[in-house]
Order: sequence, then structure tokens, then C-alpha cells
Amino acid sequence: RKEVEQDPGPFNVPEGATVAFNCTYSNSASQSFFWYRQDCRKEPKLLMSVYSSGNEDGRFTAQLNRASQYISLLIRDSKLSDSATYLCVVNRPASGTYKYIFGTGTRLKVLA
Amino acid sequence: GAVVSQHPSWVICKSGTSVKIECRSLDFQATTMFWYRQFPKQSLMLMATSNEGSKATYEQGVEKDKFLINHASLTLSTLTVTSAHPEDSSFYICSALRGYEQYFGPGTRLTVT
Repeated sequence: RKEVEQDPGPFNVPEGATVAFNCTYSNSASQSFFWYRQDCRKEPKLLMSVYSSGNEDGRFTAQLNRASQYISLLIRDSKLSDSATYLCVVNRPASGTYKYIFGTGTRLKVLA
Repeated sequence: GAVVSQHPSWVICKSGTSVKIECRSLDFQATTMFWYRQFPKQSLMLMATSNEGSKATYEQGVEKDKFLINHASLTLSTLTVTSAHPEDSSFYICSALRGYEQYFGPGTRLTVT
């Protein structure tokens, strides 16, 4: 079982739809959580850090559930430009430092 | 924002030659930078963690003598692929750490012929 798991998708949704992705992590010592988006043949771009209280940025809402060890990303009113791969990243202690663990990504296709 | 640049954006080299890739944090200082490799349709694979003023920490299976990392300043880390072979052809991406957030460079597409 992978330490950070995501449904690879693809999630095909019509424009304007609301879509949600989950990401589960297995290490309870995980401390920081992030969502990135990556377009084809491009670098990942930080979408948002995920805080314990949850956070919202425009059409994007991220939630953290420490008890169940998952984070979620909700995208409202999907746009064609939201089509990308969404990466879940978790930071945890490792050998006196920190390690960033990447999920394999969830692919989203927003259809016209 | 937090801007990270990478140079070159693409490079083609002959087998057996060495290639140096630069990663710069443009508007912040980064004690820690990371180097990743990504093959088509695959996940990012962490190669090494680069810490300013100290030796890089390499992930298991990554040859430190082949992938030389230097982090001589708080804004620059370099990755040198020595004696490159066609199987080293890949997309190499660096990131710089600001606080706990990683900001990625635009990547370098390396093709070894």
C-alpha cells in the first residue's frame, strides 16, 4: 500500500460541475499537506496548502481530516482550464528531517 | 510570489558528455532544494535533497557520482548529469523550499542521443 494514495481517474466532468478528490495518507505523523496541479509536460504548481481548519481559495476548497487521515479538494464551477493532474503531497518527519511524499495524482478532464 | 527558475529548459547532448542544470530561487532564499526526475505519464521521482553548504542526500538507487549536486548559495543549486546515456533522457525538475512549501522550477527536458 502506498503511503499517499489517490484515485488516478480520469474524472471527466462537464463545465460548471463540482468535483471532489480525496487523498489518503497512512503515516499519522504527517504534518503538512498540499495540493498541486500539474499540466502535461509542465512542472507542478502549488494550488494550496491545507490547514487543519480547512481553507478556501475562490472555487477551490481544501479540507483535512486527521482522524481519518485524508485530505480533500473540492472544485466548484469547473472550467475547461481546470483540466490537469492534481497531486496530493504530504510532509512528515524522517530521520531528523522532513520528507515530502507525493501521490501519483488524479487526472481531471473538464468537458465543454 | 515564490519564483524558481531552471536553466536550460531543454538540452540535447551526445552520449558520454556531461550536462549541468541550474536551479535558482529568484525572490527568496532556499536552504533546501530538491531534484526530481519524471518520465512520461509517471509520477515525480525524488532524486536528491540539496542543502546549502552541505552534501546532498540522495535517494536509494540514485548514483551520487553520476548525478552531482552542488548547492553553493542560498539561491542556486546545480545538478550535473555526468557521462550521460540515452536512459538518462527525462524531465528534470527542481524545487525550492520556502517555509514548508515547495515551489517548482519549470523543468529541464534532457535528451541524450
